[in-house]
Amino acid sequence: ETAVFQTPNYHVTQVGNEVSFNCKQTLGHDTMYWYKQDSKKLLKIMFSYNNKQLIVNETVPRRFSPQSSDKAHLNLRIKSVEPEDSAVYLCASSWGLAGAETLYFGSGTRLTVL
Amino acid sequence: QQKVQQSPESLIVPEGGMASLNCTSSDRNVDYFWWYRQHSGKSPKMLMSIFSNGEKEEGRFTVHLNKASLHTSLHIRDSQPSDSALYLCAASIDSNYQLIWGSGTKLIIKP
Repeated sequence: ETAVFQTPNYHVTQVGNEVSFNCKQTLGHDTMYWYKQDSKKLLKIMFSYNNKQLIVNETVPRRFSPQSSDKAHLNLRIKSVEPEDSAVYLCASSWGLAGAETLYFGSGTRLTVL
Repeated sequence: QQKVQQSPESLIVPEGGMASLNCTSSDRNVDYFWWYRQHSGKSPKMLMSIFSNGEKEEGRFTVHLNKASLHTSLHIRDSQPSDSALYLCAASIDSNYQLIWGSGTKLIIKP
């Protein structure tokens, strides 16, 4: 049963373009996340957003930015995509902090940068 | 240097057999270990978690934890083709927002 919804499922774009991905959760969770999963399936946290507090992974390039209107929505914008941004972007949510709570993932957005 | 190491990288087990997957952390501040399963083309789903020494069993799945060695293992008995997936181990450090993920074990169950 899906409760974390991501759009689009796929996106193909060219280097330098701007893209935005949407994420909505209907679980009433307090915290949302964006993860990047690379071709080797390694998951890397990009952002977490809890009670309007944004925690940023310091290794994330500045062209990435999260956008939230309320605790049920966390979108991801990439200002000027580069080839290394090609990956699957996974949105997730949890009660409280990820360390002690189960993460619920969306189905992912696969980005291909040409 | 990755803080969570998983082994083996891939594993082939005959249907009905036992699959054993390993995960070790190099950070002594780990307090929770998580196991997630990701079927091909799907998103990860939480399978089991453990934070106390010992073992925990849920159906065909058993997870062990040795806190002294920071090692956890996942065992799947009577493996089914539907168990074929990528198994991801994650460790939480001081229960904060961040999970540290291993690179996964690809499990293939051969009919």
